[in-house]
Amino acid sequence: DAEITQSPRHKITETGRQVTLACHQTWNHNNMFWYRQDLGHGLRLIHYSYGVHDTNKGEVSDGYSVSRSNTEDLPLTLESAASSQTSVYFCASSEGRAGGITDTQYFGPGTRLTVL
Amino acid sequence: AQKVTQAQTEISVVEKEDVTLDCVYETRDTTYYLFWYKQPPSGELVFLIRRNSFDEQNEISGRYSWNFQKSTSSFNFTITASQVVDSAVYFCALSRNDYKLSFGAGTTVTVRA
Repeated sequence: DAEITQSPRHKITETGRQVTLACHQTWNHNNMFWYRQDLGHGLRLIHYSYGVHDTNKGEVSDGYSVSRSNTEDLPLTLESAASSQTSVYFCASSEGRAGGITDTQYFGPGTRLTVL
Repeated sequence: AQKVTQAQTEISVVEKEDVTLDCVYETRDTTYYLFWYKQPPSGELVFLIRRNSFDEQNEISGRYSWNFQKSTSSFNFTITASQVVDSAVYFCALSRNDYKLSFGAGTTVTVRA
C-alpha cells in the first residue's frame, strides 16, 4: 500500500546542532508539506513543495530549509537547532490537481523533536 | 488573509451524548475548501471530510455530520451518540486554490465512559 513515512519518530538533539528530518511518500504525489504542531497553535506550515526542485516558505520558515530532488522525498533541515524548535513535526502530501484545486492532504505519523 | 477559529479548547461529555464542534473561518476568496481532521491520542492525523465553497449541502457519515453555512462562515461538526473512541483532538482547516491548509487551534474532545 502507498504510504507516507517519517524518520526518526523521536529525536533529541542539542542547541546549535544541525538536524534533518526525513519524509518519504509512495503515492507519487506532486505536493509535499511540512508542519509543526505546538499546543494552542494547531499546525503551522513551515515549507512546502509543488514538485521536484520547487520549494516555498510557509508562515514559520525561519531556521528551517527543505530541498526536493525527487518526487518521493522532502527532507526538513534545522540548520542550527534552537529550543524554540522543540515540537512535533508532520509531513503531508497531496496529489496536486491542476488548476490549484486544493485536494486532500495525507499526513505522516509525525516526528517528536526535543532540542536541549 | 485567511483564518480559522475553533473557540472551544476542550469539551468533555459522557458516552452517548452528542457533541458539536464549532469552526468559524475568515477568507476573502469565493473559492475555498474546508476540512476536518481527527488526531487520536496515538498522534496521527486522520482526514475526515473535505468540502468546497460551492457545496453547502450538509453531510452525514455514520455518527458524524457536518453543517456548512456560508452565511455565518461556519463549518460545524457533530458527533452523535459519542463513544470513548471519539476522544481526540479535532482540527478544522481552510484552503484557497493554492493547496495550502490553514488550521484552527483544535478542540480536544474527551468522552467519558
